[in-house]
Amino acid sequence: SQTIHQWPATLVQPVGSPLSLECTVEGTSNPNLYWYRQAAGRGLQLLFYSVGIGQISSEVPQNLSASRPQDRQFILSSKKLLLSDSGFYLCAWSAESDTQYFGPGTRLTVL
Amino acid sequence: AQSVTQPDIHITVSEGASLELRCNYSYGATPYLFWYVQSPGQGLQLLLKYFSGDTLVQGIKGFEAEFKRSQSSFNLRKPSVHWSDAAEYFCAVGATGGFKTIFGAGTRLFVKA
Repeated sequence: SQTIHQWPATLVQPVGSPLSLECTVEGTSNPNLYWYRQAAGRGLQLLFYSVGIGQISSEVPQNLSASRPQDRQFILSSKKLLLSDSGFYLCAWSAESDTQYFGPGTRLTVL
Repeated sequence: AQSVTQPDIHITVSEGASLELRCNYSYGATPYLFWYVQSPGQGLQLLLKYFSGDTLVQGIKGFEAEFKRSQSSFNLRKPSVHWSDAAEYFCAVGATGGFKTIFGAGTRLFVKA
């Protein structure tokens, strides 16, 4: 069966510091991969999605970037964090069925 | 443009009472429809999905949803709510061959004893 992992689970970072969040999927090949942000009390905002290695689509211009160095690995990065980057970051994967399956999330607090 | 509306930001029901969470969508083609549940600090868990066929869909944890094309709705129901059902519920719409799923803003369910 397929599983999706995210780490770290929680992160507290100062403003201006770099960021790297990692997501990996097991048990499937060539998944579509997604990064979402969920601000407090808000819905899900799609940040990036990827349909293959090195293929990244950005949905919202912002301080973040994404990379897919391996088939089942998706990384969310920033060179300099802003206060507004605080939130709950969710990674998800899907196959052709379009059903998305979510990871446990990373709580990021920027101080 | 595609959109999903969950009209209720939050709902409070008594334990043992029935539940209906509303979802309306706007989509030009035949949609894929989903309901997810999120407990605090957790990821989203798929409750059920509709792709085609029978418009009444059964899901996990005793939930069901009914697709009504004429009303562009996909409401989630449960006959008897348990305290553990307290969570946030998201309706979502996707498309055949598409890569993006549009999520509603969510409905927070509170369950009182």
